[in-house]
Amino acid sequence: ETGVTQTPRHLVMGMTNKKSLKCEQHLGHNAMYWYKQSAKKPLELMFVYNFKEQTENNSVPSRFSPECPNSSHLFLHLHTLQPEDSALYLCASSQGQGASNQPQHFGDGTRLSIL
Amino acid sequence: QKEVEQNSGPLSVPEGAIASLNCTYSDRGSQSFFWYRQYSGKSPELIMFIYSNGDKEDGRFTAQLNKASQYVSLLIRDSQPSDSATYLCAVNMNRDDKIIFGKGTRLHILP
Repeated sequence: ETGVTQTPRHLVMGMTNKKSLKCEQHLGHNAMYWYKQSAKKPLELMFVYNFKEQTENNSVPSRFSPECPNSSHLFLHLHTLQPEDSALYLCASSQGQGASNQPQHFGDGTRLSIL
Repeated sequence: QKEVEQNSGPLSVPEGAIASLNCTYSDRGSQSFFWYRQYSGKSPELIMFIYSNGDKEDGRFTAQLNKASQYVSLLIRDSQPSDSATYLCAVNMNRDDKIIFGKGTRLHILP
């Protein structure tokens, strides 16, 4: 149990589908993150929310749409994805104050495959 | 220069020996340094973090910072086969308040 729960663990979808990834943290943190991890590449930061406000959008294509209704929940809405979007999507959380100096705690990730 | 660099490995170390993993960073103003362990098919797990004010030891793990040369090391004493994993270094970039991850070093402990 990592304190950060992601669902689903695996997702296979066609390029025209719409799906959502969910993340929930039980650590009392105020910052939440979405990362993409592809084979042989470093973790790519996608979005950051700090106290429910989006503070970072790392030039992510608009086919990825984040939503943070409260400090404990984070969603990533997916639509018309491309095959190169197949990857492990990781959610993380940390203390919000001075977030870049705080350790991040990761969920188990969603393995996404685009057909 | 890349912001956070790690040798991708694999680094092979005999069981019981000391494994030494290094990470260099570009932002001289960085203050926070994190080491994560990631087993194949799993998510990163925080092992240790240190701030610019000193090194830290926790059990078999020691994190050391060399600010002058801008690198941080993770030493694993008495290496065990269960230490075989990819080790990710992450550094905060003071100039834009972000955490940047390296690509990771694959460590293989030889039984």
